[in-house]
Amino acid sequence: AQTVTQSQPEMSVQEAETVTLSCTYDTSENNYYLFWYKQPPSRQMILVIRQEAYKQQNATENRFSVNFQKAAKSFSLKISDSQLGDTAMYFCAFSTNNAGNMLTFGGGTRLMVKP
Amino acid sequence: EAGVAQSPRYKIIEKRQSVAFWCNPISGHATLYWYQQILGQGPKLLIQFQNNGVVDDSQLPKDRFSAERLKGVDSTLKIQPAKLEDSAVYLCASSLVLAGVTEQFFGPGTRLTVL
Repeated sequence: AQTVTQSQPEMSVQEAETVTLSCTYDTSENNYYLFWYKQPPSRQMILVIRQEAYKQQNATENRFSVNFQKAAKSFSLKISDSQLGDTAMYFCAFSTNNAGNMLTFGGGTRLMVKP
Repeated sequence: EAGVAQSPRYKIIEKRQSVAFWCNPISGHATLYWYQQILGQGPKLLIQFQNNGVVDDSQLPKDRFSAERLKGVDSTLKIQPAKLEDSAVYLCASSLVLAGVTEQFFGPGTRLTVL
């Protein structure tokens, strides 16, 4: 069974600064996919960024980038130039074709961006 | 493009009562998921459909929960009878295909409170 762990229940960052959210996972699979989802207060969950495990290059999406360390089973999210709209719960998630694409989520990190 | 629709948005019931939630996925999305998100936790998959067939329902408490997707489009999740521990947000998600890297699109969720 796959597990996803987010060790930081809450974090805060000043507007315009950079913050890194941590995620570790455990799996015996070799081919899998990792995601960061954002869940703003009272709003629906949206995908922030995704990474295929077979790709060595770290994914980037504008201000969002990941540090994928396959051997260490680590998948952190870096948010640069933080904006007030980045305030949300962030969930790290894992899926594999062998599990029918179901997402296994971590417990989440609540990020507060302060003005 | 319309997103994933869910109704109702909020529901309050007494324990031992029954409740049903409805989901309409994005048009053309063959795969539909129901997740349970207990307050302060990450979502947990309850059931996954591919068209109108069940792919995975291993974490669905079948003694009280049931779900169907009769025509391969809309889906209904039912709880009968409800328990206090069923209080949670029930999220519906859909994706275009059953493939690991495919993005899942989430609905706004139904917040259930069982008194």
